[in-house]
Amino acid sequence: GQNIDQPTEMTATEGAIVQINCTYQTSGFNGLFWYQQHAGEAPTFLSYNVLDGLEEKGRFSSFLSRSKGYSYLLLKELQMKDSASYLCAARDSNYQLIWGAGTKLIIKP
Amino acid sequence: TAGITQAPTSQILAAGRSMTLRCTQDMRHNAMYWYRQDLGLGLRLIHYSNTAGTTGKGEVPDGYSVSRANTDDFPLTLASAVPSQTSVYFCASSEIPGGGAIIHEQFFGPGTRLTVL
Repeated sequence: GQNIDQPTEMTATEGAIVQINCTYQTSGFNGLFWYQQHAGEAPTFLSYNVLDGLEEKGRFSSFLSRSKGYSYLLLKELQMKDSASYLCAARDSNYQLIWGAGTKLIIKP
Repeated sequence: TAGITQAPTSQILAAGRSMTLRCTQDMRHNAMYWYRQDLGLGLRLIHYSNTAGTTGKGEVPDGYSVSRANTDDFPLTLASAVPSQTSVYFCASSEIPGGGAIIHEQFFGPGTRLTVL
């Protein structure tokens, strides 16, 4: 079956760095997405990886290892506004997104 | 640009009643999707449409129907609501994903919070 695993909740300190891991099993693979979702709001696109390696976009970076079925989202210089859920999603052979349950990130001052 | 709009924002519905959740996008995307989001679970695909006039079933289609008469609108209908359909419903759209490095990320509407009693 198809499955995405990510931690339910993480806590970090303002100004620090946090890494959110995601492992996936899908029928075929056509890319890995990270979305941010603030409470009560819609998910918004953060990053995309289709090749192995690191993609950097400002304070956020995302890494992919296709052989390991593994990705992580790295958030640097954490700000209070980064408190949100982070959703990992893998695109399968039918180009449909398979979503993880999300990681709730709590930032403490 | 509005992007994707959904209506209503929230609704309380009696079990057994029917309801249509509306979704409209102004980005001229070919593909549209309906998801439900429940606590502790990932977004689950209900139905999708890759182009006007065609629809497909997702992971959890039972109890729901959709239509795609034109590019912009993708309504979701609950014919006879049950309490297990209490959820937050998100509509999304994208260009049709294909091969290569083109991302074609999905854009989401603000959601409809539905409670079935």
